[in-house]
Amino acid sequence: DQQVKQNSPSLSVQEGRISILNCDYTNSMFDYFLWYKKYPAEGPTFLISISSIKDKNEDGRFTVFLNKSAKHLSLHIVPSQPGDSAVYFCAASLTNTGNQFYFGTGTSLTVIP
Amino acid sequence: KAGVTQTPRYLIKTRGQQVTLSCSPISGHRSVSWYQQTPGQGLQFLFEYFSETQRNKGNFPGRFSGRQFSNSRSEMNVSTLELGDSALYLCASSLRHYLNTEAFFGQGTRLTVV
Repeated sequence: DQQVKQNSPSLSVQEGRISILNCDYTNSMFDYFLWYKKYPAEGPTFLISISSIKDKNEDGRFTVFLNKSAKHLSLHIVPSQPGDSAVYFCAASLTNTGNQFYFGTGTSLTVIP
Repeated sequence: KAGVTQTPRYLIKTRGQQVTLSCSPISGHRSVSWYQQTPGQGLQFLFEYFSETQRNKGNFPGRFSGRQFSNSRSEMNVSTLELGDSALYLCASSLRHYLNTEAFFGQGTRLTVV
């Protein structure tokens, strides 16, 4: 049973515009969320995380929003750059149960120059 | 600081054989987790080791096992390989076991079972 879902397999955005990647989860006990970026033939690279006590976390061009009532999080990339083209995974975990992350199936982002 | 190192990068094995994959975590990291990635399935958690003890286990059959050594290096073993075991196996290291902490991934081992 997929507890973390990314319903959009792919997304195309013009360079300079905003990219919004979405993620939904079903387990209300999740309290830590992360986004990873993955290029072909490489392992996932950590991007940004957010704890459930916050609703927003920002790091440069990347902002993650968390809506606990809707069990939804999103990653905003502003402005989008061609180098951002990659597969993005969201992940969730429960504090104090170790580093067991539940991953979504990924969204392939293409930033068009 | 060196990242997470996984060896080998590629493996081809025959159905029924067994395989051992290796992972060296980031220096100072004591938690090592393993994930399986197959097309359309995302990353599926296999298990986590911390201080040489398995702390968490995902929903995989007993053919999948692992261990961690005193220097935090970890190995995972898959016995009696099946065609469906063909996947990218990723290792991730984390500084801590408890509390919110990000995991850093290696490049993975691509296993093909023929």
